[in-house]
Parts: sequence; C-alpha cells; structure tokens
Amino acid sequence: DAGVIQSPRHEVTEMGQEVTLRCKPISGHNSLFWYRQTMMRGLELLIYFNNNVPIDDSGMPEDRFSAKMPNASFSTLKIQPSEPRDSAVYFCASSSRVQPQHFGDGTRLSIL
Amino acid sequence: ILNVEQSPQSLHVQEGDSTNFTCSFPSSNFYALHWYRWETAKSPEALFVMTLNGDEKKKGRISATLNTKEGYSYLYIKGSQPEDSATYLCAFLQGAQKLVFGQGTRLTINP
Repeated sequence: DAGVIQSPRHEVTEMGQEVTLRCKPISGHNSLFWYRQTMMRGLELLIYFNNNVPIDDSGMPEDRFSAKMPNASFSTLKIQPSEPRDSAVYFCASSSRVQPQHFGDGTRLSIL
Repeated sequence: ILNVEQSPQSLHVQEGDSTNFTCSFPSSNFYALHWYRWETAKSPEALFVMTLNGDEKKKGRISATLNTKEGYSYLYIKGSQPEDSATYLCAFLQGAQKLVFGQGTRLTINP
C-alpha cells in the first residue's frame, strides 16, 4: 500500500499566482480530507469529501480556495489568487468509515 | 464552537520517566476519539481510535483511557525513550467523519 500521495512536496510561488495541490487517497478509502497546518491555528480541516462528494467545506477560508474530487482516486485543492498568508503545510488524509485517517506527507507552500 | 483542549501544551521528560497528558472534549454527541502521533517533518500517524466509555487501549509503552461522560482522555507513556519525542494530537469525531483536532501536546524526551 503506497499510502496517501501528495504532490508537490514543496511549492514556492509569487503572490497572485494560482496554486494547485494534488492528492491521491488510499485505494478503497471513501473519505478524503484537506487540512492546513499553521503555527497559529494548528491543524484545521478545510474540506472533506465522502464518496467524491463535498460534505463540509465550512473550513475553507474564502472564495480563493476551491477543492474538487473528480473521481475516487484524485483530489485537488486550488488557491487562486494566492496570498502570502496562505503559506502553510497542507495535508491530505483519507479514511474508510470511522477508521483512523491516514495522512499524506503534506505540501509545504510558500507564497512570496 | 466545538473545543478540543489538550494539556499541557508542551512537556519535557527525562528518559526513563513515565508521563501522561490530557485531552478534553465535549461530552455530548460522542462518536469517537482519535489519538495521533506527529513527529517533526512527518505526517500524523494514528495511535488509537476509542469509542466506548471506559475504553483502554495499549500499544507497546503507550496507552490511553477514555471517559465519555466527563469528556476526557488520558495518554500515558511508560518509560519514555528519545524516540517518543513528538507532538501528540487528540481529535474528536464530530458527526460521522469530521475530526476536530486539539492543538497537541509537544513532548520532548531528554536523554
């Protein structure tokens, strides 16, 4: 089992640019979660999907953030336009029912 | 607003000593409580999923207890080793799948 795969591992870009983070969940897991880790707020849930359908996006900071899950094996988190305050580590996790979540290695995003 | 509180925020323990820390969560609408271990520069890894009041789970030198009536869980580490240094997160399962994480307890084991 390859685990949850996130790409890229690191992203440095200038403010105003579009950023796309990618996630491949563990095969067979029907839930996918996007988290953001910051020093101030810790690990916060942005959005989660169940069977490819967005269930709760109340954690998405603002309209600049969007997430999609076109199929069971792929999800994207997009920020457009990006701002310096979006700099953080973004984690994707997947799980099956109420089992523990398995996290990817994260994407470290720096917006200059 | 759902609050999951962990204490202490950080802890320094001498190698070989035992330690414990606390997670407090709402006592109503309880589904499950998760514990994760998060090493620096890595991703969180699940330790335990606890669902029943009075649950006690153990994994090697690490164990956890759960009191859903009063809304707390303890994590214990017996005979701490340097490799136990990590941030320990608890997370309250709100609804079927949404986890609300505490801020974590950062544990440092001094050799």
